[in-house]
Amino acid sequence: DSGVTQTPKHLITATGQRVTLRCSPRSGDLSVYWYQQSLDQGLQFLIQYYNGEERAKGNILERFSAQQFPDLHSELNLSSLELGDSALYFCASSALGGGRETQYFGPGTRLLVL
Amino acid sequence: GENVEQHPSTLSVQEGDSAVIKCTYSDSASNYFPWYKQELGKRPQLIIDIRSNVGEKKDQRIAVTLNKTAKHFSLHITETQPEDSAVYFCAASSQNTGNQFYFGTGTSLTVIP
Repeated sequence: DSGVTQTPKHLITATGQRVTLRCSPRSGDLSVYWYQQSLDQGLQFLIQYYNGEERAKGNILERFSAQQFPDLHSELNLSSLELGDSALYFCASSALGGGRETQYFGPGTRLLVL
Repeated sequence: GENVEQHPSTLSVQEGDSAVIKCTYSDSASNYFPWYKQELGKRPQLIIDIRSNVGEKKDQRIAVTLNKTAKHFSLHITETQPEDSAVYFCAASSQNTGNQFYFGTGTSLTVIP
């Protein structure tokens, strides 16, 4: 157990809908990262937050947004869902979000868009 | 940005043999190289990492080597066991990009009993 928690574990929804994925980092970690893992794309970095502020942005679609709250938990919002958004979404956390830091992954949320 | 390539994509070895997975990276500023193991449907778990000021690191049956000049790093698993079967991902990160991890495409390792 990495200490990172994610809810829900599974999510089934329809195209055009909006969902929210939640992540709680390890105790004491200030930085949260979101990754998307699909069969043909591997692990793709979406976005990083550090202590409530966005720090880095990767291949995140405009339909997706995220935020980190004062208690350091983070939410990833996915809207206008398409079939291709079906994937495993992982969040990870690290202590400070700086260089050469280990990231610890949560168990993931499996999203299926029908 | 950084580009990480990983080979091979699949690897089958007999139990007890060694397995080697290789990754190359493009950004000379990358200075942290973790390796993750992911079992089917589970989270990626860190198994070993290496920082750019070190050439080799070992942890029991697992070792990682780094060649900064050639920009490649490798994972070595000795005396493989069936429970080593999983997908292995390499990654590279740089302080210049805020510790964002760039992952390789993964290697599916099967250890045949």
